[in-house]
Amino acid sequence: EPEVTQTPSHQVTQMGQEVILRCVPISNHLYFYWYRQILGQKVEFLVSFYNNEISEKSEIFDDQFSVERPDGSNFTLKIRSTKLEDSAMYFCASSEPQAGTDTQYFGPGTRLTVL
Amino acid sequence: QKEVEQNSGPLSVPEGAIASLNCTYSDRVSQSFFWYRQYSGKSPELIMSIYSNGDKEDGRFTAQLNKASQYVSLLIRDSQPSDSATYLCAVDNAGNMLTFGGGTRLMVKP
Repeated sequence: EPEVTQTPSHQVTQMGQEVILRCVPISNHLYFYWYRQILGQKVEFLVSFYNNEISEKSEIFDDQFSVERPDGSNFTLKIRSTKLEDSAMYFCASSEPQAGTDTQYFGPGTRLTVL
Repeated sequence: QKEVEQNSGPLSVPEGAIASLNCTYSDRVSQSFFWYRQYSGKSPELIMSIYSNGDKEDGRFTAQLNKASQYVSLLIRDSQPSDSATYLCAVDNAGNMLTFGGGTRLMVKP
């Protein structure tokens, strides 16, 4: 069964460093998403991406964040200058919107630890 | 602000019983509703989606939607210890973004 994959599973970085989290969405899906979950808190939407551009973003997704689809399979989230409060699980998701169905399937996540 | 509310639990049920999980949402224009299961340290795993008022059954799971009351529920019949997890209600407001509730922790005791 097709699934979303993410690398790395765990990333440790120093405050102020740049990180890139990588995702391979399900191959025939057209919409891609990033969410984050701080330990013990809700899953929060960051950004959605369709047709090579951002379609929606939340207040969390400020200028420190960017997304890119560098090739036909990868979808990346870059955090330019990490802060302690960026420590969280980051989940990539994808969906294949059709009439009446827009189910998002989640990858296993990348645990980001900012020291 | 769009809110999705769930009782955090824990909800404790004996093995074989029915577990009932509830969710309310604030945005009346919400279109799509989802239940995800999340084991500790893992990602959300889709259980069911529901789009129309009424019941939708899939195996041991039944989702119920009442748009007038802005209420979604999930029933798990014949609960098993392996069902012990946090259940997340998520709402899509047709903006291609899911708003999640805080989740209800379910404990199924053998």
